[in-house]
Amino acid sequence: DQQVKQNSPSLSVQEGRISILNCDYTNSMFDYFLWYKKYPAEGPTFLISISSIKDKNEDGRFTVFLNKSAKHLSLHIVPSQPGDSAVYFCAASATGGTSYGKLTFGQGTILTVHP
Amino acid sequence: DADVTQTPRNRITKTGKRIMLECSQTKGHDRMYWYRQDPGLGLRLIYYSFDVKDINKGEISDGYSVSRQAQAKFSLSLESAIPNQTALYFCATSDRTSHTEAFFGQGTRLTVV
Repeated sequence: DQQVKQNSPSLSVQEGRISILNCDYTNSMFDYFLWYKKYPAEGPTFLISISSIKDKNEDGRFTVFLNKSAKHLSLHIVPSQPGDSAVYFCAASATGGTSYGKLTFGQGTILTVHP
Repeated sequence: DADVTQTPRNRITKTGKRIMLECSQTKGHDRMYWYRQDPGLGLRLIYYSFDVKDINKGEISDGYSVSRQAQAKFSLSLESAIPNQTALYFCATSDRTSHTEAFFGQGTRLTVV
């Protein structure tokens, strides 16, 4: 049972335009959400996160939006750059109790930004 | 030097062989994890350890075992490798005092033939 889903395996965007990557979750206990970026032959690296007490978090060109009622989050990249081309993973955690620290990942979305 | 180091980076092994993947970290984190990545499935948690004397199964622990030899070292073993364990394996660490951001190693590509 996939508790975190990224339903778009790939996304292609023109340089300078907005990239929107989507993620849905089913577990109501999740209260902290993260996005990771992964280049080929490297491990995933942390990009941005959001707590369930917020609905938006911004860091430079990257903004994450959280809609708790819809159990949906999205990552916006504006403007997109060719160096953003990578696999993006959404991850979720239930920070209470014994689950603290465990991340559940989505399947990933391959973003390609064309010059 | 990388904060989270995995060895080997690549390995080809035969069905039925025992193999160990090693992970060491210099971040001083208490928590360590092993994930595997498969196409279309993302990263799935195999085992995790919140300190040296703590070992917990993740969502796909069957066929794997782990050892936490020290705070900085966490190894993953495949007792009798099978072809469907061919995957990219990642070790990760996190700090108990912060939120759940995890730091990953560069990965081990394992092929079981």
